[in-house]
Amino acid sequence: QKEVEQNSGPLSVPEGAIASLNCTYSDRVSQSFFWYRQYSGKSPELIMSIYSNGDKEDGRFTAQLNKASQYVSLLIRDSQPSDSATYLCAVNRDDKIIFGKGTRLHILP
Amino acid sequence: DGGITQSPKYLFRKEGQNVTLSCEQNLNHDAMYWYRQDPGQGLRLIYYSQIVNDFQKGDIAEGYSVSREKKESFPLTVTSAQKNPTAFYLCASRTTGQGWAGELFFGEGSRLTVL
Repeated sequence: QKEVEQNSGPLSVPEGAIASLNCTYSDRVSQSFFWYRQYSGKSPELIMSIYSNGDKEDGRFTAQLNKASQYVSLLIRDSQPSDSATYLCAVNRDDKIIFGKGTRLHILP
Repeated sequence: DGGITQSPKYLFRKEGQNVTLSCEQNLNHDAMYWYRQDPGQGLRLIYYSQIVNDFQKGDIAEGYSVSREKKESFPLTVTSAQKNPTAFYLCASRTTGQGWAGELFFGEGSRLTVL
């Protein structure tokens, strides 16, 4: 079982709709969780971090964490064409930060 | 400005040569990381360091070496033992300590091509 798993996509979402990105992780002792956005040829940039169960909202973005199910998600409301990118989920376990392979998101104009 | 500087941005190497990628940060972060990214893939951890003069192997350390002599610097050497070194290399740093989520901040990356 891979440590951090994401659906590679592509996930196509109409402009203005909600995009839902999912991530599961295998190690229960993982302590903190991150979502990064990466445009083609660029380095990843942080969108959100979360380390407590529940929801965390920042503008159009909501991260959701369920430690019992070992599941992290990212919701993007009012999707814009500029949201088209690869979204990487990352998990911190004792300072070792592991990334999933990423989900490609395509916002349809 | 505070940030992470990687150099060079582009590098070409002949087979059998070692090459060193530079990573410098002025964010006063304790921890530094090196990742490798292949086309269409996620980031794979090569090495990481929590404090000066100490570092740990990541998931794909074979064929790579690092040093951490200064807090600000974490150079990565890609040796001739690395079978498929052509990739995009990313350096990152973060704060550590209890109570912090400790997000990673990335440099702009170094793209290595082996001819």
